[in-house]
Amino acid sequence: DAKTTQPNSMESNEEEPVHLPCNHSTISGTDYIHWYRQLPSQGPEYVIHGLTSNVNNRMASLAIAEDRKSSTLILHRATLRDAAVYYCILYYGQNFVFGPGTRLSVLP
Amino acid sequence: DAMVIQNPRYQVTQFGKPVTLSCSQTLNHNVMYWYQQKSSQAPKLLFHYYDKDFNNEADTPDNFQSRRPNTSFCFLDIRSPGLGDAAMYLCATSTSKGSQFFGPGTRLTVL
Repeated sequence: DAKTTQPNSMESNEEEPVHLPCNHSTISGTDYIHWYRQLPSQGPEYVIHGLTSNVNNRMASLAIAEDRKSSTLILHRATLRDAAVYYCILYYGQNFVFGPGTRLSVLP
Repeated sequence: DAMVIQNPRYQVTQFGKPVTLSCSQTLNHNVMYWYQQKSSQAPKLLFHYYDKDFNNEADTPDNFQSRRPNTSFCFLDIRSPGLGDAAMYLCATSTSKGSQFFGPGTRLTVL
């Protein structure tokens, strides 16, 4: 199974940008890179995904390294509501394998 | 709004007493998933359906079964719950190539 590694936890100040890294050195050419987040007592929520090119949506941006062995989720202005566990996942077939994720704390 | 619904949100059962958790979706997605999430851990995939095709993860215990009678509904049956099966159970749906949409989860307590 393709695996991802992420820092266990990160902190950010409110209204500052946050860069959440993910390493996926064993990624294959057909794996999509997905990011989800899970707020306390809720199911995971889709954030963004990409294959090779950088992606932007209303929630975040995804920067993918040229060799695809790492990616970075960028929250442009962190708010208190962004405090959650962020999961970087490689998607192949119908298999989603969650790594341990990064717990993001946002300080007021 | 299109969504994934899980009932009940909280379920209490006794050790060894069969329990069924249910999931329904209004998204008309052809793939449905069941995950188990224990405290402070990431969700762990138990199995998924691609339409009617059932796919079991290799390390999912035989104690866990699933049924999908139609596109909209999927059930998780735990035949003989043990204390170690206490967890949050998450249902999710996706299209064949799309992102997953998760329900709010059912928190199972085993007494």
